[in-house]
Parts: sequence; C-alpha cells; structure tokens
Amino acid sequence: AQSVTQLGSHVSVSEGALVLLRCNYSSSVPPYLFWYVQYPNQGLQLLLKYTTGATLVKGINGFEAEFKKSETSFHLTKPSAHMSDAAEYFCAVTYGARQLTFGSGTQLTVLP
Amino acid sequence: GAVVSQHPSRVICKSGTSVKIECRSLDFQATTMFWYRQFPKKSLMLMATSNEGSKATYEQGVEKDKFLINHASLTLSTLTVTSAHPEDSSFYICSVDQTSGSSNEQFFGPGTRLTVL
Repeated sequence: AQSVTQLGSHVSVSEGALVLLRCNYSSSVPPYLFWYVQYPNQGLQLLLKYTTGATLVKGINGFEAEFKKSETSFHLTKPSAHMSDAAEYFCAVTYGARQLTFGSGTQLTVLP
Repeated sequence: GAVVSQHPSRVICKSGTSVKIECRSLDFQATTMFWYRQFPKKSLMLMATSNEGSKATYEQGVEKDKFLINHASLTLSTLTVTSAHPEDSSFYICSVDQTSGSSNEQFFGPGTRLTVL
C-alpha cells in the first residue's frame, strides 16, 4: 500500500525567506511523485513531478523538489518566498497506477 | 495539458434533492476521469474512477447508488448526488487522466462547491 505524509499542516515564512515543505512517502515499488498547489476554492495545479531520471526536479514558479530514495522523501523548496505563494500544497504519489494518493496538505502562509 | 471545466462552480440545494455536477475535458479525449471529494481544510479523497462507456469503479466506502457517475462520452463525465443531505456538503473535484508511457499526469477541474441545506 502506498501512503504520503506531509509534516506540518501549517508553515509560515517571511517574504523572501526559504520555503521548505516536507513530504515522505511509503511505497513498496519505485514511486511517481507529485506536488500540487491549490488556491482557495480552486482545483489543483501541478507544480512538478518526478517519474524517472534526474532526482532534482524543477517546476513552475521557482519551486523544485528532490527525490531521495534513501530517505523516502520528496521535499518541496523555493529559495525566496513571494506573497503569491500563499496557498495549500499537496504531495501525491502513485506507483504507475492511475490513482493518486494525496498527503494531508500543508497550508503555506507568507508574512510581509 | 488537458483543460478541464466543471459546472456548476457552486450549488446550493435542499435536503432530499438530487444534484448533477458536470466535468468536461475541453481539449482532450479522456477515457478515464476521476472524482474526488475534499472536506474543509482536508486532503482530497478519491471517490471513483469514471471510465468512458463502462461502469465507474468506486472506492471502498463510497455509495455507488448515492453518487451516480456517468461517462457517456470522451469529453464529459457527470456526478449526480442523489437525495442529498447536509453531510454531502463538500468540494467536489474532477480530474482527467492523461497518462501516456512513463508520464502519469492528471489535470484537475476548478471544483464544485456543494452546500446542502
């Protein structure tokens, strides 16, 4: 069975500071990993994904994530937070099946 | 990626009535779509997989007679909440499966906010 754990349901950073959102997965086979962002009352937008190949993945809006198999992690980072980054972020996993399993989400607040 | 729309974006209904939510894939022929439910401040819960031309596959614990799914064409899937009750109030999101080769990707609709009074 696959599962995703997002540590920290709420993260607050100052504008311009580093953003780090944590995601750990549990999967018996190599996973496909995703980060999505959701703004209030909207659907999900894909930030980035890892399937195969390079373990450091760059996405939209300056976000990136690194797949670390030894740590079963796929943490999301951005060097400098912007006010517009305030949103809910979801990590998700699948192992090739079409169904995604989502983490519980992390609400990012960016302080001025 | 696929562009996905949902209609309506918001609906308020009385308890006991039925509500239909449409999910359209505007630029991609989708043989598979997914329906999710999201409670306030919570993650997405997969309700069912909608397959064009065949019966939907429901996740454990989801009542198929209450949440009717029809996927009659490659661009439209509908979710009907029958005899809605206040506990059915939620944010319903659909997605289009655009998996091909090693690329596994879903594109999400903007969601429908259902409020049952």
